Amino acid sequence: ETGVTQSPTHLIKTRGQQVTLRCSSQSGHNTVSWYQQALGQGPQFIFQYYREEENGRGNFPPRFSGLQFPNYSSELNVNALELDDSALYLCASRKDYEQYFGPGTRLTVT
Amino acid sequence: AQSVTQLGSHVSVSEGALVLLRCNYSSSVPPYLFWYVQYPNQGLQLLLKYTTGATLVKGINGFEAEFKKSETSFHLTKPSAHMSDAAEYFCAVSDWGGGATNKLIFGTGTLLAVQP
Repeated sequence: ETGVTQSPTHLIKTRGQQVTLRCSSQSGHNTVSWYQQALGQGPQFIFQYYREEENGRGNFPPRFSGLQFPNYSSELNVNALELDDSALYLCASRKDYEQYFGPGTRLTVT
Repeated sequence: AQSVTQLGSHVSVSEGALVLLRCNYSSSVPPYLFWYVQYPNQGLQLLLKYTTGATLVKGINGFEAEFKKSETSFHLTKPSAHMSDAAEYFCAVSDWGGGATNKLIFGTGTLLAVQP
């Protein structure tokens, strides 16, 4: 148990729709990162939030956005969904140099 | 920029045999290295990590890894495989992107099968 939870577990959306994924981190972990894991691939870094500000971003377009809240929860929002957005989305909270991953949300775009 | 290469996308061993999963990294700074395990339809669980100090790192479930700077390797081993070890394993290097940004760069993973 990492103490990181994500919701929902699974989600099916249609191309062009918008989706919000949620993550609850451990208390005191003020850095959260989001990763996308396509089928058969390793996780890819989307972005990182520190004290409610985005302070690092991977190679993902602006339609991927996020929020971090003071209660250690965060959101990943994806607009204008594309078929290639189908993946497992993982959030990770960080303390020092170690990242604690949640179980992920499986997003399917049809 | 940091990168990770995992040799062998699929590895199959017999129960009780040695497990060896290979990982090579590229890093312009002293690396922080990690091994994660992922069971089907689950998130990532940290097996072990190397930051500084002793180069032989012991983790959970009997796994260990040795950091070899000269070979830029961080191979994962377990003396005796168990059926419950069947999973996908990811090697990762920490990329300090400046400021407070710290992301993990993952390899493409190695799927371990354990035969009875």
